[in-house]
Amino acid sequence: DVKVTQSSRYLVKRTGEKVFLECVQDMDHENMFWYRQDPGLGLRLIYFSYDVKMKEKGDIPEGYSVSREKKERFSLILESASTNQTSMYLCASSLWPHRGVGEETQYFGPGTRLLVL
Amino acid sequence: AQTVTQSQPEMSVQEAETVTLSCTYDTSESDYYLFWYKQPPSRQMILVIRQEAYKQQNATENRFSVNFQKAAKSFSLKISDSQLGDAAMYFCAYRSAGGAQKLVFGQGTRLTINP
Repeated sequence: DVKVTQSSRYLVKRTGEKVFLECVQDMDHENMFWYRQDPGLGLRLIYFSYDVKMKEKGDIPEGYSVSREKKERFSLILESASTNQTSMYLCASSLWPHRGVGEETQYFGPGTRLLVL
Repeated sequence: AQTVTQSQPEMSVQEAETVTLSCTYDTSESDYYLFWYKQPPSRQMILVIRQEAYKQQNATENRFSVNFQKAAKSFSLKISDSQLGDAAMYFCAYRSAGGAQKLVFGQGTRLTINP
């Protein structure tokens, strides 16, 4: 089974702090994603990566950056946390689709609920 | 840009009965994938069912089936014989067949199962 883990389930930070959220997958997936989930808005894509050291902006990248130094690990960085970044953050991974139909399914981690005070 | 709309923020159903969750989407593409994801209270998002746009046959997975109407851009999820374990947030999602692999999600529908 695919396993996607996130470093923390709950996190409380102060405004202005630098925050690191880590995600690790164990299935050799090329693609990794960071979403934030807010009530009534569903999930919105922050950043994604399709290879080591490669990254692409999603729909709401402002205030965030990412790092992918190893294939299995994708980090989300809040350079200076703000209260409007209080949210649930979900990481996901998937295979590059050329390997076959059906393998493009994204697998999600348990999420990190971040509270910025 | 593609958009996905779930117009039912909350739904409830009696245990053992059938419920249908609605989803519409907007796209100019002809080749894409559609998904229903389930997020139980424990928060781990899991895939329920997927549909390739080029397939006319509706996908089914045990008690879960979809009604895919490509011309109407509609993708509803039917849950038959509802069980208490089906209680969750359900998200409809869209992905283009080529290019970026990102998912576009709807707002979600919270499903409650009444015993």
